[in-house]
Amino acid sequence: NAGVTQTPKFRILKIGQSMTLQCTQDMNHNYMYWYRQDPGMGLKLIYYSVGAGITDKGEVPNGYNVSRSTTEDFPLRLELAAPSQTSVYFCASSYSGTGEQYFGPGTRLTVT
Amino acid sequence: ELKVEQNPLFLSMQEEKNYTIYCNYSTTSDRLYWYRQDPGKSLESLFVLLSNGAVKQEGRLMASLDTKARLSTLHITAAVHDLSATYFCAVAVIQGAQKLVFGQGTRLTINP
Repeated sequence: NAGVTQTPKFRILKIGQSMTLQCTQDMNHNYMYWYRQDPGMGLKLIYYSVGAGITDKGEVPNGYNVSRSTTEDFPLRLELAAPSQTSVYFCASSYSGTGEQYFGPGTRLTVT
Repeated sequence: ELKVEQNPLFLSMQEEKNYTIYCNYSTTSDRLYWYRQDPGKSLESLFVLLSNGAVKQEGRLMASLDTKARLSTLHITAAVHDLSATYFCAVAVIQGAQKLVFGQGTRLTINP
């Protein structure tokens, strides 16, 4: 199993551009999560999904959108990039709602 | 709103010394995780603590949980350079899914 994979690894965006961060897991996990980690800080939950077609907001959802059309994929969309969205983004998945989360390698995003 | 605080935030210590990282949280939870993060890397799960009084040990690291005091500790025994990393505690909030609220992290540097 590859586990949780994320693409791209690095990306630089200009203010106002849009992009989609990809996350895929091959563990047949129902639950998936998006976190952001600002420099020197812990992770904060952006959005999560409890299964295909079901998503909900986390602690810091503003400026982001998600969708979950399959069990494997949980893309995160930035519509109008802002410098405040410069961060490292981690995707995670878990088998159950109370199970341990497995993290992907992260995407480092810079908005200038 | 759940708040999670770690201290110290920075810790520089010598090899062979012992030290403890503290994780305090503000509302009731009986599930806490400890993670390790190396620079530029993802999070590596160290311990899952699931009940009051839980204690887990792996090598030179030992974690404990006191849910009544809302406190977890990560104790390092006879530190070695390889343990240099940033350590995060994360407290679980079960609301539809397991949402993790992270502490700020403790950057640990172990000097020869």
